[in-house]
Amino acid sequence: GAGVSQTPSNKVTEKGKYVELRCDPISGHTALYWYRQSLGQGPEFLIYFQGTGAADDSGLPNDRFFAVRPEGSVSTLKIQRTERGDSAVYLCASSLNRVDSNEQFFGPGTRLTVL
Amino acid sequence: AQSVAQPEDQVNVAEGNPLTVKCTYSVSGNPYLFWYVQYPNRGLQFLLKYITGDNLVKGSYGFEAEFNKSQTSFHLKKPSALVSDSALYFCAVRDVWVTGGGNKLTFGTGTQLKVEL
Repeated sequence: GAGVSQTPSNKVTEKGKYVELRCDPISGHTALYWYRQSLGQGPEFLIYFQGTGAADDSGLPNDRFFAVRPEGSVSTLKIQRTERGDSAVYLCASSLNRVDSNEQFFGPGTRLTVL
Repeated sequence: AQSVAQPEDQVNVAEGNPLTVKCTYSVSGNPYLFWYVQYPNRGLQFLLKYITGDNLVKGSYGFEAEFNKSQTSFHLKKPSALVSDSALYFCAVRDVWVTGGGNKLTFGTGTQLKVEL
């Protein structure tokens, strides 16, 4: 079946601009996660949705970052007033929310470059 | 707070030889442990997980991992390496006892595995 998809695959923007990154999770997965991966590092947690609500947003670095999941499926990560330090690969993952089946399945990521 | 350490940036092994990629973790409660693999310009791919039960976990592509609670380790192993196993491997942990949406994974910095002929 279809996996997690993310659009766009690459995004180049200028410092100070606003960007939106989209994630389509695996159908039926109630949990959705955003991570950020900088060069040479492991993914770092940003935010976790259970259904439509953000259950844990402790990883968002500051108030320029915001994410929504209005219908409990597709999610959008929004970054305002982008900075060069925001350049990274943004990964989305989804999972079931069962103890015996809780592994997260990742999309290919969106590579964001802020010039 | 939960954390993961992958002490080796790179592991080199000859094809056909056994391989081990090391991982140690720290959590306040009981851990869920995961291994993921990342090929160039591709997303993370799930390999295997430990939740409870047998300490030896078998996963995709012939990989396995052994959970050792006393050493807080979860090393990834494969009896006979293939050139196609060359990739970046990440260990990740989730603290079972964290409430209020504690599903987040904490990843290590990754280990580059290079399998040569």
